[in-house]
Amino acid sequence: AAGVIQSPRHLIKEKRETATLKCYPIPRHDTVYWYQQGPGQDPQFLISFYEKMQSDKGSIPDRFSAQQFSDYHSELNMSSLELGDSALYFCASSLGLSGGAYGYTFGSGTRLTVV
Amino acid sequence: DAKTTQPNSMESNEEEPVHLPCNHSTISGTDYIHWYRQLPSQGPEYVIHGLTSNVNNRMASLAIAEDRKSSTLILHRATLRDAAVYYCIPPKYNNNDMRFGAGTRLTVKP
Repeated sequence: AAGVIQSPRHLIKEKRETATLKCYPIPRHDTVYWYQQGPGQDPQFLISFYEKMQSDKGSIPDRFSAQQFSDYHSELNMSSLELGDSALYFCASSLGLSGGAYGYTFGSGTRLTVV
Repeated sequence: DAKTTQPNSMESNEEEPVHLPCNHSTISGTDYIHWYRQLPSQGPEYVIHGLTSNVNNRMASLAIAEDRKSSTLILHRATLRDAAVYYCIPPKYNNNDMRFGAGTRLTVKP
């Protein structure tokens, strides 16, 4: 079965550089969520999209932005990278604003290292 | 958002059942209860979810209290591959958003 695809799997950037992470949801899933997980921490919600519109916003820095495209894939853009941005970034997808009636599927994540 | 409380850690012996509790006393009547687990360096994995009735699937069972203020994830026979951090999460009803709290780290001893 198709899963949530994230690219790249690994990314190394220098401080003050820009990074773009991509997420391809499961076919027919129209909702995408982004999470950041630092070393030894629980995943922290960043932002979500439903039908290409921002659904909710969590602890996402102003240096980060995201959008969902017409094919429902999503991109997380991170600028002026800091050492503290080094983390695993996960994307999840689900079907509609169903109030949790359906499970969420997570990707394998992108490991971002800022040096 | 509904708040959840889970034990920081639990231990189990291989081949024995494991009961992972979760308190969610502020849950609303329309919030589903989801459980996910995360192995080291992997993305969270869906385990099971339910609303009011107990639920079973090939991975686990979910027992939901009648007042819905707590639930228990049941692994019927723990294996070494079940060692992970388990998260109990009630997504927000109006927009699905799922926020992780501090889960339970399950250790399975051979």
